[in-house]
Amino acid sequence: DIQMTQSPSSLSASVGDRVTITCRASQAISTYLAWFQQKPGKAPKSLIYAASSLQSGVPSKFSGSGSGTDFTLTISSLQPEDFATYYCQQYNSYPLTFGGGTKVEIK
Amino acid sequence: QVQLQESGPGLVKPSQTLSLTCTVSGGSISSGGYYWSWIRQHPGKGLEWIGYIYYSGTTYYNPSLRSRVTMSVDTSKNQFSLKLSSVTAADTAVYYCAREAYYGSGSTTTDHWGQGTLVTVSS
Repeated sequence: DIQMTQSPSSLSASVGDRVTITCRASQAISTYLAWFQQKPGKAPKSLIYAASSLQSGVPSKFSGSGSGTDFTLTISSLQPEDFATYYCQQYNSYPLTFGGGTKVEIK
Repeated sequence: QVQLQESGPGLVKPSQTLSLTCTVSGGSISSGGYYWSWIRQHPGKGLEWIGYIYYSGTTYYNPSLRSRVTMSVDTSKNQFSLKLSSVTAADTAVYYCAREAYYGSGSTTTDHWGQGTLVTVSS
C-alpha cells in the first residue's frame, strides 16, 4: 500500500492567514492526489482532484500543487468556515489510502 | 445531485456480522461509470478505505479487510451493501458509503459521501 504522510498534524491560524498543508506519498503517484475537508460530525467533502483541479463549487481560495511524491494544499485567506480537518488521498493505485489529517484550528 | 444514505444497526455484538446498506438517490447505480465504496473512520482517527463495488458486481476489497468483507449491489432498489464478519471492538467506527469516479486517469477517487453512520461493537 502507498503510505500518505501529512504535516503538520495540526496548526493554529488566524482569520485572513495563508495556510499551507503538506502531503507526502511513500512512492511516486504522478498527480493522482485528492484533498478533502471534514468538519466535526460531518462527512468529508471533496475539494481538489488531480492534485490541483478544484471540484465544482469549491472556492478559488483553495489551491493544490505538486506531483510525484510531494503535494501541498493552500488556503489563501483563512475564513471562519475553513476551520476543519483536511485529508489527502492517493488514487494512483488500490487500495486508496489517506493521509492522517491536518486539523486547522483558530489561533 | 447524487445523495447517499447509510442505514443499519448501530450496535453489533463481537464475533457477529456488521451489515449496512447505502441508498443512492439522484442517480442510478446501474447507469455505470461510477463505483460505489465504503470508507470507515475510527473515533477521532483518520480514514480507511474498505473497498468498492461496480453495478455489475465487480468488487475490490482492501487486502487488510478482504477476508471479512463482502459487498453486494441491488440495482432494482438503487442500493449497495456492506457485510463485515467476525467483528471486534476494533471495528467500531463511523462507516461512510461513497461514490468513486474516474477523473481522467489513475484509479477512481471519492467525490460524494453519505453522512456516515456510527457502528459500535459491544456486548
